[in-house]
Amino acid sequence: DQQVKQNSPSLSVQEGRISILNCDYTNSMFDYFLWYKKYPAEGPTFLISISSIKDKNEDGRFTVFLNKSAKHLSLHIVPSQPGDSAVYFCAASAFSSNTGKLIFGQGTTLQVKP
Amino acid sequence: DAGVTQSPTHLIKTRGQHVTLRCSPISGHKSVSWYQQVLGQGPQFIFQYYEKEERGRGNFPDRFSARQFPNYSSELNVNALLLGDSALYLCASSRATDTQYFGPGTRLTVL
Repeated sequence: DQQVKQNSPSLSVQEGRISILNCDYTNSMFDYFLWYKKYPAEGPTFLISISSIKDKNEDGRFTVFLNKSAKHLSLHIVPSQPGDSAVYFCAASAFSSNTGKLIFGQGTTLQVKP
Repeated sequence: DAGVTQSPTHLIKTRGQHVTLRCSPISGHKSVSWYQQVLGQGPQFIFQYYEKEERGRGNFPDRFSARQFPNYSSELNVNALLLGDSALYLCASSRATDTQYFGPGTRLTVL
């Protein structure tokens, strides 16, 4: 049972354009969502998070949008840079469970072309 | 500030052997979580420890165990290794149940 899904295995965009990465979830108990970036042979790097009480959070070039009714979140990267090329994972947790357990999607490989 | 550190970086074992992986959290973080990542998938939750007590356990067999020490570092132990245990093992630390920061991982290969 895949509770967090990233349906696009890969995405290719031109440098300077917007990258939009999508994530869907099924568990209504999830109330905290995160995006991580991962380069080969490294651990995931935290990018940005959002609580379920918000519908948008921005940090520099990165913006996360949360649509609770659709159980959907997206990460926007504007403008995209070649250094953004990596695998992006969305993750979700149920804060109230107090376990800190993160459920990850399968990842989306982003390629930003110069 | 030092990030999460893990040792060793790479490990090769044979089936049936035992392995111990180590993790040191970010200074000030009292929680450590362990994840397993196989190729092409996202990390899968194994354990979380907070203040030396197990707070959460994922869907892994009893061959997997962990503990947290008074200095908040942690060990993950896997007994009776199987070929399917070959994966990247990730440790993450957090202050409590908030944002988790990951280490570089330990690549385990079981032959």
